[in-house]
Amino acid sequence: SQQGEEDPQALSIQEGENATMNCSYKTSINNLQWYRQNSGRGLVHLILIRSNEREKHSGRLRVTLDTSKKSSSLLITASRAADTASYFCATAGAGGTSYGKLTFGQGTILTVHP
Amino acid sequence: EAGVAQSPRYKIIEKRQSVAFWCNPISGHATLYWYQQILGQGPKLLIQFQNNGVVDDSQLPKDRFSAERLKGVDSTLKIQPAKLEDSAVYLCASSFTGTTEEQYFGPGTRLTVT
Repeated sequence: SQQGEEDPQALSIQEGENATMNCSYKTSINNLQWYRQNSGRGLVHLILIRSNEREKHSGRLRVTLDTSKKSSSLLITASRAADTASYFCATAGAGGTSYGKLTFGQGTILTVHP
Repeated sequence: EAGVAQSPRYKIIEKRQSVAFWCNPISGHATLYWYQQILGQGPKLLIQFQNNGVVDDSQLPKDRFSAERLKGVDSTLKIQPAKLEDSAVYLCASSFTGTTEEQYFGPGTRLTVT
C-alpha cells in the first residue's frame, strides 16, 4: 500500500510562478524525501528532511515537515519550463520492518507553461 | 560517477511469455532495490537486496517473479509467465548502506504485455 497521498494530483502554472505540492502520510517516519520524474525517465532525488527538522532549503526548493499533522509540502519558487515533471514524496519508515523502507505517494504532475 | 544502469529500456512480450531485466548499481552501493511503477502511480518496492542477500521481498509475487543478485553487484529480475497486469516500468535503484538515505534510480525498463 502507498503511505503518501499527494495533493494536488495535477498542477498547471506559468513560468515564474511558485508551485506548492503537499504530501500526507499515516505512520511514523525517519525522514521524508522528494523525488522528481521527467517523462519516461527514472526518479531523481531532490531533498531529504529528517523527522526532527521542520524546514529545509535547496536552491529554489523549500520543504516543510509537520510531524504532528503527518504532512509535508514542497515549494518550488520562480518555476521554469524545465521543472515540468511528476513529483513524488517518499517516506522512510521509523522502525521495525519498515525501517529505511521507502514508500512512495501517487505523485503530483506539474506543468509549467513558458 | 556512473549512474545505475538498466537494460533493456523497452520490452514488448505476449502474456504467458517470460522476460528478464538487468541492473548494474552504482559502484560501492551495498543495497539494490527493484520497484514496479504502474502508469499514474508511484513506485512500489518489489525486493531489496543487501549485498547478495534478500532484506525484503514481501511485495514480490513469488509465483511468477524472481530476482537474484549474484556476487553482490548486478541483479536480474525475471517474470515467468507474464500477465497483462505486469505492464509497468520496472525501476532499479541503489543506495550506499540501505538504511534511510537517498536512493539513486536507473532509467527503468518499460514492459508492455499484450
